[in-house]
Amino acid sequence: QLVVTQSPSASASVGASVKLTCTLSSGHNNNAIAWHHQQPQKGPRYLMKVNFDGRHTKGDGIPDRFSGSSSGAERYLTISSLQSEDEGDYYCETWGTGTWVFGAGTKLTVL
Amino acid sequence: VQLVQSGAEVKKPGASVKVSCKASGYTFTGYYIHWVRQAPGQGLEWMGRINPDGGDTNYAQQFQGRAAMTRDTSITTAYMELSGLRSDDTAVYYCARVGATSYYWGQGTLVTVSS
Repeated sequence: QLVVTQSPSASASVGASVKLTCTLSSGHNNNAIAWHHQQPQKGPRYLMKVNFDGRHTKGDGIPDRFSGSSSGAERYLTISSLQSEDEGDYYCETWGTGTWVFGAGTKLTVL
Repeated sequence: VQLVQSGAEVKKPGASVKVSCKASGYTFTGYYIHWVRQAPGQGLEWMGRINPDGGDTNYAQQFQGRAAMTRDTSITTAYMELSGLRSDDTAVYYCARVGATSYYWGQGTLVTVSS
């Protein structure tokens, strides 16, 4: 069964870096994923797609301090030079034959 | 690229709701439209998708038989109709244009199910 798992929460200080993880279920190590960010009381915004080999394609206007990478079944989102507006929920999403699935999200607190 | 959704709805249990998603700024038939919902305080839940070029659909298992996704290419609009509404269908419903390397979200439509 296609599932993606995320840690429930993360925190880091303004100006620091943070690395969020999305883990694919067994047998899906080659899946690409997408990262989305949702600020409080707002709709989601697409950040990037991350392929199995770590190549990533960012959405319109996403700054360079956002980057993606991969290792095995894990896909990562690294945010450097954290800013207060980076706070919110981060969702990863993957897809299979005719089905898409979201992770439960990671709530990022910027201290 | 712009996706503009219809306004908020209040429905009674057992009723149906139809949410629209007007697309502009690109070739409507070139990209799938996905529907995703978010219950209050909860995460994102994929409901299904429609191919505007042909109308073929895929639905998440939990929405099979209850959700219907359609489109009208003449007005570049996609629709999601959900029937047999229950209180736990109260959520913000989003449409999204999904491409190989791009993803655009609509602004969301709040559907409230209450007696």
